[in-house]
Amino acid sequence: QQQVKQSPQSLIVQKGGISIINCAYENTAFDYFPWYQQFPGKGPALLIAIRPDVSEKKEGRFTISFNKSAKQFSLHIMDSQPGDSATYFCAAEDDKIIFGKGTRLHILP
Amino acid sequence: DAGVTQSPTHLIKTRGQHVTLRCSPISGHKSVSWYQQVLGQGPQFIFQYYEKEERGRGNFPDRFSARQFPNYSSELNVNALLLGDSALYLCASSADSFSYNSPLHFGNGTRLTVT
Repeated sequence: QQQVKQSPQSLIVQKGGISIINCAYENTAFDYFPWYQQFPGKGPALLIAIRPDVSEKKEGRFTISFNKSAKQFSLHIMDSQPGDSATYFCAAEDDKIIFGKGTRLHILP
Repeated sequence: DAGVTQSPTHLIKTRGQHVTLRCSPISGHKSVSWYQQVLGQGPQFIFQYYEKEERGRGNFPDRFSARQFPNYSSELNVNALLLGDSALYLCASSADSFSYNSPLHFGNGTRLTVT
């Protein structure tokens, strides 16, 4: 049972462009929505996170947009750089954390 | 500061065998959680321990067990290994039992291959 659906599976963006990754959830009890970045051979690292009482959170080039009524949230990476090439996971948490299947992002130099 | 350390980094086992994976959390962190990451998928929650007590369990069979020691390090044990247990096993630590109070810090994982 997949409770967090993530799309797209893979994404190619030109350097300087905007990368957008989308996630949808089903369980309205989720109350914390983090995004993780994972490089090959490494564990995931927390990138940015949001609580459902906020519609948007921005940290540097990374922004989470959150739509509680639609049960959707998205990650926007502005001015995408080759160093952003990695796999990104959305997640949702109540008493345990559920991860999406991931998006492989490749930024063309 | 040392991050979350996991050992071993790689392991090859045969079907039916038993395996023990180890995790040392960041100093001061009292919560340890374990995840299974199959190739091309997101991490799947297995267990969380906080202050040496089990706080959560994911949808995994009883062949999977874990424990946390007084120094907050942890072990994940898997009995009667199946080919489908081949995955990257990740450990994460946090200061608190809830992520929104303190973020998860992941180790680089143990790559388990079952033949």
